[in-house]
Amino acid sequence: AAGVIQSPRHLIKEKRETATLKCYPIPRHDTVYWYQQGPGQDPQFLISFYEKMQSDKGSIPDRFSAQQFSDYHSELNMSSLELGDSALYFCASSIRPRGRETQYFGPGTRLLVL
Amino acid sequence: KQEVTQIPAALSVPEGENLVLNCSFTDSAIYNLQWFRQDPGKGLTSLLLIQSSQREQTSGRLNASLDKSSGRSTLYIAASQPGDSATYLCAVIRQGGSEKLVFGKGTKLTVNP
Repeated sequence: AAGVIQSPRHLIKEKRETATLKCYPIPRHDTVYWYQQGPGQDPQFLISFYEKMQSDKGSIPDRFSAQQFSDYHSELNMSSLELGDSALYFCASSIRPRGRETQYFGPGTRLLVL
Repeated sequence: KQEVTQIPAALSVPEGENLVLNCSFTDSAIYNLQWFRQDPGKGLTSLLLIQSSQREQTSGRLNASLDKSSGRSTLYIAASQPGDSATYLCAVIRQGGSEKLVFGKGTKLTVNP
């Protein structure tokens, strides 16, 4: 079965650079979620989109922005990177109605900021 | 603010043992609760999802229970195997509009051959 695809899987950036993470949800899934998991930490919700509109927002820094496109894939743009942004970034997808279906997680993008 | 706590933080058992992982949450107004498995440096694999109206879910050797009123869930693993070694996270979605999963910090399970 098709799963959530994230690219790139690994990314190394310097401080103050910009990074773009991509997420391709499971076919027919209309909702995408982004989570950040710091080293040894639990995943923290960043933002979600339903039908290309932002549906919920968590502790996402102002330096980050995201959007969902017409083909339902999503991109997380991160600017002015800081050392503390080093983390595993997960994308998850689900299909409405909200909460009745499991959020399926991708393998994550490991970002290292030097 | 919803807080999710998992006890113990780490657990080491011999192969074949039955075990229970615990999860508690402070706000009982949840929509559902999920148990996930995470291997080191890997993604999250959903194991079981329990809707707020349900009491338990079973999948193979796994059984998850939910007591919403007391804010507790348990994940029971029968006849543990070395391949079960991983970190197990529970997460809840709160009622009332937010879709975010609020995670516990997980229990790191090691099953020794």
